[in-house]
Amino acid sequence: EIVLTQLPGTLSLSPGERATLSCRASQSINNNYLAWYQQKPGQAPRLLIYDASSRATGIPDRFSGSGSGTEFTLTISTLEPEDFAAYYCQHYGSSPLRTFGQGTKLEIK
Amino acid sequence: QVQLQESGPGLVKPSGTLSLTCAVSGDSISGSEWWSWIRQPPGKGLEWIGEIGEVHSVGSNYNPSLKSRVTISMDKSKNQFSLEVISVTAADTAVYYCVKNFGAYLGFWGQGTLVIVSS
Repeated sequence: EIVLTQLPGTLSLSPGERATLSCRASQSINNNYLAWYQQKPGQAPRLLIYDASSRATGIPDRFSGSGSGTEFTLTISTLEPEDFAAYYCQHYGSSPLRTFGQGTKLEIK
Repeated sequence: QVQLQESGPGLVKPSGTLSLTCAVSGDSISGSEWWSWIRQPPGKGLEWIGEIGEVHSVGSNYNPSLKSRVTISMDKSKNQFSLEVISVTAADTAVYYCVKNFGAYLGFWGQGTLVIVSS
């Protein structure tokens, strides 16, 4: 089973700043089958990034994903007030078919 | 635009069976994409439970950690799919989401329903 570790657990930043979130895999992820989701309190998660770097429909271009192998990054170039939320990475492919990281909480400083 | 709506009892007794249904509108569950159940214990992270879909026949995949207690089924006549978890304990208390897959990923989510396991 591939284990995803997200760092940091909590990230405190101000609107207008740049956010960099990390997702590290315990083994290399084939085909860059790695996604990022955003979850606001009381809401369902929303798909932001898939295949490590492709933005889902309707996602603003301030969100970008990068990485390969075991190291992946979600970058929010300029934080908007609505971006403060929890973020999860997700892998596809090994057993279980889908696993999630434990999440990073992005909070207002 | 596809919409998913979970329904079912919000309270289940320990050792009982958790049963939820996901009604799908705006799309057919017999299409090319598969359909998943995800859960999230209060204040914790996400766990993929399993998925169901139809290629030439209906198939399913489960998280090995839950496989012995979980069944996912679909009712094409009602355009809905269901989750059943047997022998529940307090550890099964969670918000349960039904989701339309987007290939390897989880594209469209229902709003979620909280199920509490308690006597």
